[in-house]
Amino acid sequence: KAGVTQTPRYLIKTRGQQVTLSCSPISGHRSVSWYQQTPGQGLQFLFEYFSETQRNKGNFPGRFSGRQFSNSRSEMNVSTLELGDSALYLCASSLAENSQPQHFGDGTRLSIL
Amino acid sequence: SQQGEEDPQALSIQEGENATMNCSYKTSINNLQWYRQNSGRGLVHLILIRSNEREKHSGRLRVTLDTSKKSSSLLITASRAADTASYFCATAQSTQAGTALIFGKGTTLSVSS
Repeated sequence: KAGVTQTPRYLIKTRGQQVTLSCSPISGHRSVSWYQQTPGQGLQFLFEYFSETQRNKGNFPGRFSGRQFSNSRSEMNVSTLELGDSALYLCASSLAENSQPQHFGDGTRLSIL
Repeated sequence: SQQGEEDPQALSIQEGENATMNCSYKTSINNLQWYRQNSGRGLVHLILIRSNEREKHSGRLRVTLDTSKKSSSLLITASRAADTASYFCATAQSTQAGTALIFGKGTTLSVSS
């Protein structure tokens, strides 16, 4: 069974731009969660999607948004990029809402110039 | 907010030695999980221990949980160079919006041959 797939693996953007990251969960998994990982703040929860609905949201500004499609694939969008948005963005899938454990992809490394 | 806090932040040992990492958390939990992250990769789920369990084994891994002290430990026996990675504990924290997986800042383990 294929694991969680995140694309692209690496991305370079400049301040003010916007970016869309993609995540394909493990087949049969219906919940997708997103995390931001930085050296200073560590792993921080962004949001969780289940059945195409955002079920939970972390403490991030409205510039961070996401969506989930009917096939459970998810996208995350960040608008008006700031230097501090440079991070590894990780996606994780699980069978159902709030179910454990979560299975992680290898992330998208986003660098803001 | 950080729910789990790992200790030590960094650990260097020789192959064959045992490695012990500790995690403390703040609120009551249903379960606690340990994940491993190799450099530049996503997180890999290692083990989940429920609040009514005191000890759990998986191969060379042994996890203990003391809910009275709000702490857990991960023991890796007979360490190998391939165990070099960062290790995170995680707990599910309930908020008004839902349940989010909250990670500690991790312990970086280096195993030299």
